Amino acid sequence: KAGVTQTPRYLIKTRGQQVTLSCSPISGHRSVSWYQQTPGQGLQFLFEYFSETQRNKGNFPGRFSGRQFSNSRSEMNVSTLELGDSALYLCASSEGVLGNTIYFGEGSWLTVV
Amino acid sequence: AQKVTQAQTEISVVEKEDVTLDCVYETRDTTYYLFWYKQPPSGELVFLIRRNSFDEQNEISGRYSWNFQKSTSSFNFTITASQVVDSAVYFCALSENGSSNTGKLIFGQGTTLQVKP
Repeated sequence: KAGVTQTPRYLIKTRGQQVTLSCSPISGHRSVSWYQQTPGQGLQFLFEYFSETQRNKGNFPGRFSGRQFSNSRSEMNVSTLELGDSALYLCASSEGVLGNTIYFGEGSWLTVV
Repeated sequence: AQKVTQAQTEISVVEKEDVTLDCVYETRDTTYYLFWYKQPPSGELVFLIRRNSFDEQNEISGRYSWNFQKSTSSFNFTITASQVVDSAVYFCALSENGSSNTGKLIFGQGTTLQVKP
């Protein structure tokens, strides 16, 4: 069974640009969550999508958005990039019931210059 | 408020030593879930174990063992006879009950384990 797949793995963007990251969950999983990991703030929850609907959201500005498609694949977008957005962005999938094991992908390393 | 504390920032041991990673959590819920993940340099968070708040049975899996104690709000992780391949950052995480918490894990700051040959 394939794991959580994220693309691209590495990318460099310039301040002010926008970026879109993609995530394919484990087959059969309907919940996709996104996390940001930085050395200063650690791992922080961005949002969760289930059956194409955002179900939960963390404490991030509106520049961070996401969506989920009917095949459960998800994308997250960050607009007007700031230097502080440089981070590892991790996607996770689960069956969507509270307490289910949440499986993570390898992440997308974003550098904003 | 919910919180996970991993007081040990970095631990360095020599191969074959036993090592215990500490995790203390705070929650007001009576139903919650605790997790341990391992993060190698590649970045992926690898799931190790999940425990719910009603299951205090400690578990041993190969060289890994976990000690869950609700009385002290701790969920510690021990590696017996450590190996160089165990070198990674280890995260303890909490998932609380409630519709606003689905998909949401609260992570500790992580403990970097270095196992030297």
